[in-house]
Parts: sequence; C-alpha cells; structure tokens
Amino acid sequence: QKEVEQDPGPLSVPEGAIVSLNCTYSNSAFQYFMWYRQYSRKGPELLMYTYSSGNKEDGRFTAQVDKSSKYISLFIRDSQPSDSATYLCAMSARSSASKIIFGSGTRLSIRP
Amino acid sequence: DSGVTQTPKHLITATGQRVTLRCSPRSGDLSVYWYQQSLDQGLQFLIQYYNGEERAKGNILERFSAQQFPDLHSELNLSSLELGDSALYFCASSVAVSGGSGDGELFFGEGSRLTVL
Repeated sequence: QKEVEQDPGPLSVPEGAIVSLNCTYSNSAFQYFMWYRQYSRKGPELLMYTYSSGNKEDGRFTAQVDKSSKYISLFIRDSQPSDSATYLCAMSARSSASKIIFGSGTRLSIRP
Repeated sequence: DSGVTQTPKHLITATGQRVTLRCSPRSGDLSVYWYQQSLDQGLQFLIQYYNGEERAKGNILERFSAQQFPDLHSELNLSSLELGDSALYFCASSVAVSGGSGDGELFFGEGSRLTVL
C-alpha cells in the first residue's frame, strides 16, 4: 500500500462547478501538506501549502487537512478551463523537500 | 516560467546506452533536486545537491549518478539504460537547503522526457 493515495481520475466537470480533489495517507507523522498543479508538458508548481491541520484559502482555492482522518482536500470554486491540469498532493513529516511524498496525481478537465 | 532550465527536452536512446541530463537552477538557488516521474510510480525523489555537495538520496539506482558544479548547474547521468528507465526526469531548485515544505518553495523545470527503446 502506498503512503499517499490519490484517485488518478480523469475528472471532468463543467465550467463554474466546484471541484473537490482528495488524498488519503497512512503516515500519521505527516504535518506538511501541499498541492501542486502540473499542466501538460510542464513541471509541477506549488499551489497551496498547509502546516498541520485546518483550512487555508487562496482566491478560488481552499486546502483542507483532517489529520484525524488522514485526509486532505483541495477545493476549486468557480472552476475555469484554465484549471485543467493534473493536481498532485504532497506531504512530509519534516520540513525537507527530500522527504516529500507525492501522490500520483488527479487529472482534471474543465469543460467550457 | 519557473526559471529552472532543463536540457534536452526529449531524448530517445537504446537499452544499454548512457545519457546525461542537464539542469540550471533559478538564479540564487543553491539546492538542486532530481525527480523521476512515471505513470505507475508518480513523482519519485532521486537525489539532492546543495552548493555542490550531495545532501540527500532517495530511490536512486546505482546506475544513476549526479553532480552539481561550481556554477550550480547539475547533471544527472543515467547508464546501462533499461526499458523501465523511460520516464520524465524533473529538476527542481530552492534557495534553502531544506526547501519545499516549510522552508521555501520548490521550483520545477519542464522536464526531460527519456524514451528507452
């Protein structure tokens, strides 16, 4: 079983919909949680970063962490075609990039 | 544009061959990380260099090696290539020695797509 599980999708929703992307994990020591967005033929770029539990909002994006359930979510409000990409969750127990474990990514497509 | 430059973008080679992938980090970033991304394994950390010194090692095969030069660019050498080495190889950089979680963002290049036939 992988330390970080992520539904690969693809997920297709109409423009304007609320999108929910999720990851589960097994290591209770994880306390740094990230979401990366990867456009086709590009490298991942950091979208959201959260330390420990709780919510974090940035514009149309909200990241949620539920450590008791070992579950993290990324919500996208008012989704746009430009949000079409692969979204990778990532997490680590220590503040060190070499310790980050990435999910396999969810492919998201927003239909105009 | 993340500021991280990787060459070549695409590479096709045969089994048993050796290739070198090159990465120039963002200006001012001292840490360079190499990752392998494949469909079945996702994004896997290979190795990190900080200011010319190896800092951390992940799931890097013995057939693979890397180095960081005084001008901070890095090279990943892949030898005795096998079909299973076909993947996207990403380089990332950060300013801090432990960047990427609480200590600074990781900036990824666009990757080098390696196909081994």
